[in-house]
Amino acid sequence: ETGVTQTPRHLVMGMTNKKSLKCEQHLGHNAMYWYKQSAKKPLELMFVYNFKEQTENNSVPSRFSPECPNSSHLFLHLHTLQPEDSALYLCASSQHQLGEFEAFFGQGTRLTVV
Amino acid sequence: KNQVEQSPQSLIILEGKNCTLQCNYTVSPFSNLRWYKQDTGRGPVSLTIMTFSENTKSNGRYTATLDADTKQSSLHITASQLSDSASYICVVNTGGGNKLTFGTGTQLKVEL
Repeated sequence: ETGVTQTPRHLVMGMTNKKSLKCEQHLGHNAMYWYKQSAKKPLELMFVYNFKEQTENNSVPSRFSPECPNSSHLFLHLHTLQPEDSALYLCASSQHQLGEFEAFFGQGTRLTVV
Repeated sequence: KNQVEQSPQSLIILEGKNCTLQCNYTVSPFSNLRWYKQDTGRGPVSLTIMTFSENTKSNGRYTATLDADTKQSSLHITASQLSDSASYICVVNTGGGNKLTFGTGTQLKVEL
């Protein structure tokens, strides 16, 4: 285990549903990230939080809404998603939001939008 | 545009054999290069991180090389095992703000 835990591991939701993904890290890190991984595509950075403050939103549609209540927890709230949003959503953390620090990934949430 | 290209896209080898995966990048400026192993349905796990001044780094049966002049890296796996079956992802950091550029990965399958 990497010290980054994501729940749920699998999620199936309809396009009108509202759901949330949760990420928790026990590493004492200050930066947390959401990535989207679609089949045969590179990981896409969605959001970055550093010391609980959002520092990057990579032009993500508003149907994805992140929340970072503290440095250990990160949520991704989902509403009115589209089938093309089906993907593996990965959470990661690092000591700080600087390039030399290693990123530790969670196991991911496999999301299917029907 | 920052890009990371990996080859081959997929590879099948017999257990016990060696293999080498390639990574070419056009990322600038360069901070470090990382290789991750990602098992199916799991999150990536770091294998190595190399900075500009490092030419080679090993982690058990995994050895990564870096040529910053030609902007190429390779990951060599020695005496492959069934558990090596996974996607291997090359990631380049542009420096500052943890800007990671990911490759699409090489899907490795080790067979008996």
